[in-house]
Parts: sequence; structure tokens; C-alpha cells
Amino acid sequence: DIQMTQSPSTLSASVGDRVTITCRASQSISSWLAWYQQKPGKAPKLLIYKASSLESGVPSRFSGSGSGTEFTLTISSLQPDDFATYYCQQYNSYPFTFGPGTKVDIK
Amino acid sequence: EVQLVESGGGLVQPGGSLRLSCAASGFTFSSYEMNWVRQAPGKGLEWVSYISSSGSTIYYADSVKGRFTISRDNAKNSLYLQMNSLRAEDTAVYYCARTAAAGGFDPWGQGTLVTVSS
Repeated sequence: DIQMTQSPSTLSASVGDRVTITCRASQSISSWLAWYQQKPGKAPKLLIYKASSLESGVPSRFSGSGSGTEFTLTISSLQPDDFATYYCQQYNSYPFTFGPGTKVDIK
Repeated sequence: EVQLVESGGGLVQPGGSLRLSCAASGFTFSSYEMNWVRQAPGKGLEWVSYISSSGSTIYYADSVKGRFTISRDNAKNSLYLQMNSLRAEDTAVYYCARTAAAGGFDPWGQGTLVTVSS
């Protein structure tokens, strides 16, 4: 199975900050990576697919990059609505494993 | 509007069984692959099971293999998860999620809570 790791596990930031979250796969997954945002008590929401493609309706301050085993999610200017937990997921092969999550909270 | 609505969660004793349902609307259900994903209280996301659009291909996480069965009824626009021999560690919110055409899971249902406890 492909293992996914994320760093940091928690990130404290202020509104307007540029935020970067890293996700690493235990083996190459090409660009078969998605990013999700989850708020407490809510279902995850797809933000990015195929490593760098922005899902329809997602603000352009979110961007993704990377391929192979290393990926990043960047929020260019953190907004109040962005405080949440972010997960990466590989969909190169089943089981479609998720990273452990990165919680973005208010500094 | 594309929508997934789960039901069937509840409190069950260890060793018991439960059947979850996911009702789909707003899209051609029979054309899409579907998944179950769970989240234990305060924990991260864990993929549980996958079923192809026709139901001919199925995968399970090792943690549920032999105990859970995924199925679908395309005529009823419904996805199911039969859960047997339930354990305390199966306690979680269970989400159904559609495999998006371009990759990833979208949308997700609102989730249904399964609690395994005596």
C-alpha cells in the first residue's frame, strides 16, 4: 500500500499569510493526488485534483503543485474561511490512502 | 443538484451488524464509481471500500475485508455497506463519496455515525 505523510501536522497562521502544506507519497503516484478541506462536523470538500487542477468553484488563492512523491498545497492569502483541516489523498492505486491531515488554525 | 444522503447509522453492540445506505440524486448514478470513507472521532480519513459503476469490481481496506460488503442498486440510485462482526474500532462517521471524473472524491454525503459499544 502507498503511505501518505503530511507536514506540518498543525500550522498557526494569520489572515493574509501565505500558507504551504507538504504531502509526500511512499512511492511515485505521478500526478494522481487530490487535496481536501474539512471543517468540524462537515464532510470533506475537494479542492484540487490531479495535483494541480483547481476544482470548479474553489477560490483561486488555492493552488497545488508537484508530481511523483512530493506535493504542495498553497493558500496565497489566508482568509477567515480557510481555517480548517486539509488532507491529501493518492488515487494512483487502491487502497486510495489519505494523509493524516494538517490543521490550520488562527495564530 | 448533485447530492448523496447516507442513512442507517446507529448504536450497535460488538459483534453485531448494520447496513448503511447512500441515496444518490442529481446525476446518472449508474455511470459513476462509488466509495465509502470513514472517520473515527477526532481522527483522520480512512478509505473503506470501492465499487465500480456496474458493480463488477470491488475493493476493500484490509481493516474491513471479510466483514464488510459493498453493493449498489443502480435502478434505485443507491449504494450500500453491509457491516458484520462490528468492533469498537469501527466506530466512526461513514461517508459515501463519488469518484469524480477527473479524479478525487466529489461530492461527499453528510455522513452517518456508527457507534460500536456495549
